[in-house]
Amino acid sequence: AQSVTQLGSHVSVSEGALVLLRCNYSSSVPPYLFWYVQYPNQGLQLLLKYTSAATLVKGINGFEAEFKKSETSFHLTKPSAHMSDAAEYFCAVSFSGGYNKLIFGAGTRLAVHP
Amino acid sequence: DAGVIQSPRHEVTEMGQEVTLRCKPISGHDYLFWYRQTMMRGLELLIYFNNNVPIDDSGMPEDRFSAKMPNASFSTLKIQPSEPRDSAVYFCASSTKGGFRGNGYTFGSGTRLTVV
Repeated sequence: AQSVTQLGSHVSVSEGALVLLRCNYSSSVPPYLFWYVQYPNQGLQLLLKYTSAATLVKGINGFEAEFKKSETSFHLTKPSAHMSDAAEYFCAVSFSGGYNKLIFGAGTRLAVHP
Repeated sequence: DAGVIQSPRHEVTEMGQEVTLRCKPISGHDYLFWYRQTMMRGLELLIYFNNNVPIDDSGMPEDRFSAKMPNASFSTLKIQPSEPRDSAVYFCASSTKGGFRGNGYTFGSGTRLTVV
């Protein structure tokens, strides 16, 4: 079965530190992978996506993610955290095999402290 | 483009009352999705439509929940009768044909439902 797992429901970093949010997927067909961000009291906003082109994907707000097929991972990183990055982040996957739904991970809440 | 528009933003109702949530998708998007978000269960897909036709409603929790899409620019999610455990944030999202494969979804701002 297709699934996505986010390791760590809560991550806390200092302002200026590296942000690393982990996402692993399971799939028997090539996946499309997404990261969404949700700020308090708002809907989900697309941060970046992987659609079988470059394996290193750059998104908005300085975030990027690397697709590693051998590790079935799509971890989200940002070199230097900013206070405004505090939010909940969701990894999601869909598949080229015709299964027409995005499957979301449980989410990771990122806290950034001074 | 105004994005996906949901109304109301907040709804407080008494147990047993009927609740109707509304969604206007982005013009030209032919897929529409209803999600529910709670602390305990995270994001759950309730139902989705393609060209106004319900495709998968396996996520609808009970017969108390129903969803319609009478035309390409409007959808409703109705709960009748409502119960306290229905309290959650309900999101509507839309996408273009194949958009969920390459472009993902565009989400509305959600409706926060509180049933007391």
